[in-house]
Amino acid sequence: DIVMTQSPDSLAVSLGERATINCKSSQSLLYSSNNKNYLAWYQQKPGQPPKLLIYWASTRESGVPARFSGSGSGTDFTLTISSLQAEDVAVYYCHQFYTTPITFGQGTKLEIK
Amino acid sequence: QVQLVQSGAEVKKPGASVKVSCKASGYTFSSYYMHWVRQAPGQGLEWMGIINPSGGRTNYTQKFQGRVIMTRDTSTNTVYMEMRSLRSEDTAVYYCARGYSSSLSWFDPWGQGTLVTVSS
Repeated sequence: DIVMTQSPDSLAVSLGERATINCKSSQSLLYSSNNKNYLAWYQQKPGQPPKLLIYWASTRESGVPARFSGSGSGTDFTLTISSLQAEDVAVYYCHQFYTTPITFGQGTKLEIK
Repeated sequence: QVQLVQSGAEVKKPGASVKVSCKASGYTFSSYYMHWVRQAPGQGLEWMGIINPSGGRTNYTQKFQGRVIMTRDTSTNTVYMEMRSLRSEDTAVYYCARGYSSSLSWFDPWGQGTLVTVSS
């Protein structure tokens, strides 16, 4: 199974500052046939299901604010929130869909400092 | 709009079975795979398996093989997840989540979740 490891487990950032969450996979998520990374990012607020933010590692889902961006390739990926807003307080998960069993990172809890 | 609506919360005793439904609307049901993911209280996300609504083919993660059955009803655009031999550690919120035309894809949207509580 592909193991997804996020860092840090929790993060406190001041409003308006940058938040960075990392995700490392135990094997490459880059498919050579289409040059795409099979990784997505989700945001989950308390009592709600996860919400898709990013897919193909860096493609922002329609309607997701531009302050959210994804980067990385192969085994190392990053979710960046350029200017933290109060409504961004949530748990964030990375997700590999390169192969089954599909696996998720353990989650990163983002709070306001 | 695309929507997944799940059945309500369940309370079950250890050893019992539970069947959770997920009704899809707003898209062509048979064209998109459906996944099931669970989340124990205060924990992360755990993928359980996938069903192809077109032919009903399934793929379960090894942990749940023999204990979980995923089915679909194309007449009502509904998928089901049945789990047998429930134990206390199965207490969790169970989500259905739509994939795409490939079995390997991101999940969007997700159902609202169904809390299954296993307690004697």
